[in-house]
Amino acid sequence: KNQVEQSPQSLIILEGKNCTLQCNYTVSPFSNLRWYKQDTGRGPVSLTIMTFSENTKSNGRYTATLDADTKQSSLHITASQLSDSASYICVVSAQRSGGSNYKLTFGKGTLLTVNP
Amino acid sequence: AAGVIQSPRHLIKEKRETATLKCYPIPRHDTVYWYQQGPGQDPQFLISFYEKMQSDKGSIPDRFSAQQFSDYHSELNMSSLELGDSALYFCASTSLGAGYSYNEQFFGPGTRLTVL
Repeated sequence: KNQVEQSPQSLIILEGKNCTLQCNYTVSPFSNLRWYKQDTGRGPVSLTIMTFSENTKSNGRYTATLDADTKQSSLHITASQLSDSASYICVVSAQRSGGSNYKLTFGKGTLLTVNP
Repeated sequence: AAGVIQSPRHLIKEKRETATLKCYPIPRHDTVYWYQQGPGQDPQFLISFYEKMQSDKGSIPDRFSAQQFSDYHSELNMSSLELGDSALYFCASTSLGAGYSYNEQFFGPGTRLTVL
């Protein structure tokens, strides 16, 4: 069964500090992995998306890593800001047979709170 | 840049009533996905359409139906509403026909449905 596990479930840090969120997955056949930021009551917004051949990808203060061998990914947030407070969701895409359709498996997210 | 548009943004209904949610994908996107997200839950895939045809089906109840129209907008019809249907309903769009190596899904802001 395809699964995406995220840790920690929640995290509280002080403004300006760095943090790292973890994602482990058992999705096959793997197509790509993406990290989304979701503010409360809003739609998820894509931060990064990585395919099998990509090990790291940055988007401003966000840096995602992918180890396809161990099926692990991390999202590192540098110099956190109050506006970073949100849920961060790891989503893994499996390529279905025929190649024309993809199924997403969502993690339950890490709720990040950045305090002043 | 144009984003995914959903309407209405908020909807309050009574039990056993019907509701229709609308989704307008990003221009030139040919694929629409519907997700249901309960409080504190990760999004659950309901159904998807590619080029106006149903392409995949998830955990969509029989009381719900959906379709994609010639202009690629989609509507989710929900009948005999139950209290448990209260959730955020997200629509996401992508372009599978453009030959991308992966389908990055762009999410709309969501419709918050409250069933009383």
